[in-house]
Amino acid sequence: GAGVSQTPSNKVTEKGKYVELRCDPISGHTALYWYRQSLGQGPEFLIYFQGTGAADDSGLPNDRFFAVRPEGSVSTLKIQRTERGDSAVYLCASSTQGVPDTQYFGPGTRLTVL
Amino acid sequence: DAKTTQPPSMDCAEGRAANLPCNHSTISGNEYVYWYRQIHSQGPQYIIHGLKNNETNEMASLIITEDRKSSTLILPHATLRDTAVYYCIVGGYQKVTFGTGTKLQVIP
Repeated sequence: GAGVSQTPSNKVTEKGKYVELRCDPISGHTALYWYRQSLGQGPEFLIYFQGTGAADDSGLPNDRFFAVRPEGSVSTLKIQRTERGDSAVYLCASSTQGVPDTQYFGPGTRLTVL
Repeated sequence: DAKTTQPPSMDCAEGRAANLPCNHSTISGNEYVYWYRQIHSQGPQYIIHGLKNNETNEMASLIITEDRKSSTLILPHATLRDTAVYYCIVGGYQKVTFGTGTKLQVIP
């Protein structure tokens, strides 16, 4: 079956611009996660959705970052006024939210802010 | 989530078993041990998880010590395609806290 997909695979933008990154989870997965990965580091948690609501957004670095999941499926991570430090690979994962909870990751979106 | 400690890198000869250690001395009673791996330029891939007992699946075996303070991931016959960064994680509920993992290089 289809795994987690993310679009675009690569995004290059200029400092100060607005970007949107999309995640399509595995069908039927109720939980959706966003992570950010800088070069040489492990993925860093950003936000977790349980259905349509953000259950934990403690990893969002500041108010320029926002994510939505209006129908409990597709999610969009939005970054306003991008900065060069936002350059990273943004990973999305989904799960059935079982116990224990196995997460399935997408290939990521590589964001480059010039 | 409990913190884990892994060696930063390891080499393994192709066809031999790769044994990747992980220390998690502060693990609590209801926390699982998970292993994920990340092949270059791909998203992390789930490998295996366990609570107390040793586990085996088609990819690997997981050996957890009796006191649960450490574990070992075993790839029984490593191939070049197993070259990746391997992450040991404890918890597994909701958000996952990744460390920097072990970079496994499988050598021909």
